[in-house]
Amino acid sequence: DAKTTQPPSMDCAEGRAANLPCNHSTISGNEYVYWYRQIHSQGPQYIIHGLKNNETNEMASLIITEDRKSSTLILPHATLRDTAVYYCIVLMTTDSWGKLQFGAGTQVVVTP
Amino acid sequence: NAGVTQTPKFQVLKTGQSMTLQCAQDMNHEYMSWYRQDPGMGLRLIHYSVGAGITDQGEVPNGYNVSRSTTEDFPLRLLSAAPSQTSVYFCASSYSSGEAYNEQFFGPGTRLTVL
Repeated sequence: DAKTTQPPSMDCAEGRAANLPCNHSTISGNEYVYWYRQIHSQGPQYIIHGLKNNETNEMASLIITEDRKSSTLILPHATLRDTAVYYCIVLMTTDSWGKLQFGAGTQVVVTP
Repeated sequence: NAGVTQTPKFQVLKTGQSMTLQCAQDMNHEYMSWYRQDPGMGLRLIHYSVGAGITDQGEVPNGYNVSRSTTEDFPLRLLSAAPSQTSVYFCASSYSSGEAYNEQFFGPGTRLTVL
């Protein structure tokens, strides 16, 4: 599975959009990009995933570049409850299915 | 739905003791898994199961046993606890169909300390 690189931390003002980058330059054609977050001391929470096209759900938007070497998770209107560690995970569609590999993630702090 | 439940929430063991961490889900998910998270690190997969009677090892299986006799339950057993097993343990479940494998629901965790 492709490795991912994320900034260790970032701050965001409440009410503003939070743009979380993820680099996955070795991604292959059948690998998906998944995003999870972990609010302090809780279990991780699935946010969104995509293969090629941009995706949007009630929580966030996922923008994947055309060459698929990087992606950005967008939290459109960050709230204090969005303070968490955000993990970008790349997974193949074969026997890696279900075997999430969590890196260090990005610690996002939303400030009033 | 209660989702994924884990018991106990906290546990302190002495080296060499055994115990079972319980995990249950009421979403009829075929896929269940156990992860551990050490301080300041991401989660690592211990064992997983794609259905009742089927289990397999993840990235860090040594020192842990699992079994899956029902769809709902997936207990994790520590046969002889060691200080290196001090960690937070998370159970997760999902549907085992394509991309749904990776849309996992996590429990609240069990915080284990081995002295």
